[in-house]
Amino acid sequence: GDSVTQMEGPVTLSEEAFLTINCTYTATGYPSLFWYVQYPGEGLQLLLKATKADDKGSNKGFEATYRKETTSFHLEKGSVQVSDSAVYFCAYLFGATNKLIFGTGTLLAVQP
Amino acid sequence: GAVVSQHPSRVICKSGTSVKIECRSLDFQATTMFWYRQFPKQSLMLMATSNEGSKATYEQGVEKDKFLINHASLTLSTLTVTSAHPEDSSFYICSALVNTRLTDTQYFGPGTRLTVL
Repeated sequence: GDSVTQMEGPVTLSEEAFLTINCTYTATGYPSLFWYVQYPGEGLQLLLKATKADDKGSNKGFEATYRKETTSFHLEKGSVQVSDSAVYFCAYLFGATNKLIFGTGTLLAVQP
Repeated sequence: GAVVSQHPSRVICKSGTSVKIECRSLDFQATTMFWYRQFPKQSLMLMATSNEGSKATYEQGVEKDKFLINHASLTLSTLTVTSAHPEDSSFYICSALVNTRLTDTQYFGPGTRLTVL
């Protein structure tokens, strides 16, 4: 069935390291794809999105490219900061119902 | 982006009482809102879809009589946890759907931490 698979965390990096969080999806058609970020004790914030194949979403130094051929939407950042420490959720929009299908979330811990 | 607020941010109540959580879209109208529940260190679990002016659609396994949802206006949806018990303690998050030409996007509220004693 429809699902999103994220790499398991926690991911622990030193400040200024390169970040990749893998995300793949199983869905019919070509859904819109999202990355949300959740800081401790808070709700989710939309980080970036892509609506069609080869689209690149970007925000705050984060990027993700919609790869139809590999059904992936990996999140990357060239140089992480301590303030990026949070849980990152990959998701896609199930168009018929507008429901979001979430991955399990990946905890990122950035150490100074 | 669109701003969604929730009130209260935290609530502690006694077992057996009812608690109402409000979700508001502050700078846009939302015909569709969603209610989620999140357990510690887990992903979000969709509870129900709230549609303005009609009954909410509940996900399988969610008790509609226990989690009452009202979406009486285009900017407000409420979730009432009736006769709350300690197992209802959780983080409840709402989202509002924004329709754009490119795609529909859900914008989330900051969440409400419910603790039932």
